[in-house]
Amino acid sequence: DVKVTQSSRYLVKRTGEKVFLECVQDMDHENMFWYRQDPGLGLRLIYFSYDVKMKEKGDIPEGYSVSREKKERFSLILESASTNQTSMYLCASSLPQWREEVDTQYFGPGTRLTVL
Amino acid sequence: QKEVEQNSGPLSVPEGAIASLNCTYSDRGSQSFFWYRQYSGKSPELIMFIYSNGDKEDGRFTAQLNKASQYVSLLIRDSQPSDSATYLCAVRQPTDNFNKFYFGSGTKLNVKP
Repeated sequence: DVKVTQSSRYLVKRTGEKVFLECVQDMDHENMFWYRQDPGLGLRLIYFSYDVKMKEKGDIPEGYSVSREKKERFSLILESASTNQTSMYLCASSLPQWREEVDTQYFGPGTRLTVL
Repeated sequence: QKEVEQNSGPLSVPEGAIASLNCTYSDRGSQSFFWYRQYSGKSPELIMFIYSNGDKEDGRFTAQLNKASQYVSLLIRDSQPSDSATYLCAVRQPTDNFNKFYFGSGTKLNVKP
């Protein structure tokens, strides 16, 4: 079974703090994704990575950065946390599109971040 | 216009009935279509995916795709209280190097005992 883990289930930070969210997958997937999920807005893509050290902006990258130094690990960084970044953050991984297997995304358990 | 649209619900059905969940998408280049179930406070889990026009059945679940109408649906037969959750529709849009996935905001389903 694919396993995607996230470093924290719940996190409380103060405005202006630098926040690191870690995601690790154990299935050797090339693609990794960071989403945030807010009521009524669904899942919105922040950043994704299709290879080590490669990253692409999603739909809402402002205020975030990412790091992918190893294939299994994808980190989301909030440079200076703000209250409007209070949300559920979900990490996902998948095989690349050139693979014939189903290109399903597998999700981690999520991190509920509160910024005070 | 959102890439993927779903009615937020809640959709209430009695136990044993058929629940019908619907989704429309805007980009005709979308190639794969997914249904995820998400329980409150949990992450999404894949129920089904469909690539081709028509129906695809898996147990009590049937996914239906109509690319001409840009419409995807999920039918749940013999609904159970444990099916009560939010159902997310997602589509995959390929680009040169990678896939982009777009999710709807979900439909909340309540199955009443």
